[in-house]
Amino acid sequence: QKEVEQDPGPLSVPEGAIVSLNCTYSNSAFQYFMWYRQYSRKGPELLMYTYSSGNKEDGRFTAQVDKSSKYISLFIRDSQPSDSATYLCAMSEGSGYSTLTFGKGTMLLVSP
Amino acid sequence: EAQVTQNPRYLITVTGKKLTVTCSQNMNHEYMSWYRQDPGLGLRQIYYSMNVEVTDKGDVPEGYKVSRKEKRNFPLILESPSPNQTSLYFCASSFISGANVLTFGAGSRLTVL
Repeated sequence: QKEVEQDPGPLSVPEGAIVSLNCTYSNSAFQYFMWYRQYSRKGPELLMYTYSSGNKEDGRFTAQVDKSSKYISLFIRDSQPSDSATYLCAMSEGSGYSTLTFGKGTMLLVSP
Repeated sequence: EAQVTQNPRYLITVTGKKLTVTCSQNMNHEYMSWYRQDPGLGLRQIYYSMNVEVTDKGDVPEGYKVSRKEKRNFPLILESPSPNQTSLYFCASSFISGANVLTFGAGSRLTVL
């Protein structure tokens, strides 16, 4: 079983839709959970990160972590064409220094 | 502006011709790393460095070398490139902390013929 699983998509939605992006993981030691956004031909950029379980909101974006289920989600409200990108989840154990483990990314396409 | 700068952004080369991809960061980050990104395989770590003169292998180090002589620079060296090293390469850096939030460069697309 891969350490972090993420549906590659593409996920196509109309403008204004609520988008749900998800990752599952197997390593119960993961403590930090991040979402990166990657536009075509660009480097990944950090969107949000959370520590342990719970929710975090930033504008139209909400990150949710359920450690008991080993499941994390990113919700995008009122999606815009400019949200079209690949979204990568990433996780780390957070003890001392630990390497980030990335999902393979989900491509999101928001049509006007 | 805080950033990670990679050069060249695009490169076409031939098998066996040594090349170096440079990476520089201006954020005084201790940690630097190289990744390659391939369709269907995602981001895979090649090498990383926790500090000057400290480097270690990632998941796919074969065929690559790195050095960290200065804190801000972390070049990736392909001594004898082969076609299977055709990929999109990213340099990234961070402070060493619990979250280890990486800042990525814009990427270097390498084609080896």
